[in-house]
Amino acid sequence: ETGVTQTPRHLVMGMTNKKSLKCEQHLGHNAMYWYKQSAKKPLELMFVYNFKEQTENNSVPSRFSPECPNSSHLFLHLHTLQPEDSALYLCASSQLMADNEQFFGPGTRLTVL
Amino acid sequence: TQLLEQSPQFLSIQEGENLTVYCNSSSVFSSLQWYRQEPGEGPVLLVTVVTGGEVKKLKRLTFQFGDARKDSSLHITAAQPGDTGLYLCAGFNPYSGAGSYQLTFGKGTKLSVIP
Repeated sequence: ETGVTQTPRHLVMGMTNKKSLKCEQHLGHNAMYWYKQSAKKPLELMFVYNFKEQTENNSVPSRFSPECPNSSHLFLHLHTLQPEDSALYLCASSQLMADNEQFFGPGTRLTVL
Repeated sequence: TQLLEQSPQFLSIQEGENLTVYCNSSSVFSSLQWYRQEPGEGPVLLVTVVTGGEVKKLKRLTFQFGDARKDSSLHITAAQPGDTGLYLCAGFNPYSGAGSYQLTFGKGTKLSVIP
């Protein structure tokens, strides 16, 4: 595998379910990110991890819980979501440096019923 | 709060035509990135511009960073159906204070190239 991978690619869940999204980067980067992409809105940064430490949490509701066990893996644990949480969830990684070029995974299309 | 405004929001053109999309801000960025995103996929980095006035070419795509590093443009020559997608610009300013690792994304320009 190369680049940034995400699983699953599609997920349908009920409001009472608990599920997790997984992201893995094979680029040797030291920072990883979760973004939410909804229709008609810019990409919304949710969380940033730098060397496995969470450095940004952009006022994300507690029903989203990130986990970064090492610099290559990132999870987003989901519980008691709302229908408005339906979106494309994108993971990205970068090597923190002057330009912070980010490399994105293909995303998980989440539908909350 | 740093904002990036992209225009136009939507663009539909015939194959072979030229087009320009714009990315504007009142804030200064140390670098600016352009991405293309196809439906159901993540954004793919096309180019990064870092110097005011810089011009970079990627085959039929020409990217320019404004002299003041507040704006950028993407020009496509002789557009092809394969150019169809959402074009996103993203600015990086490590000295912004709030969320220094963040990229500021525009809403994107959705381009359709009709065969």
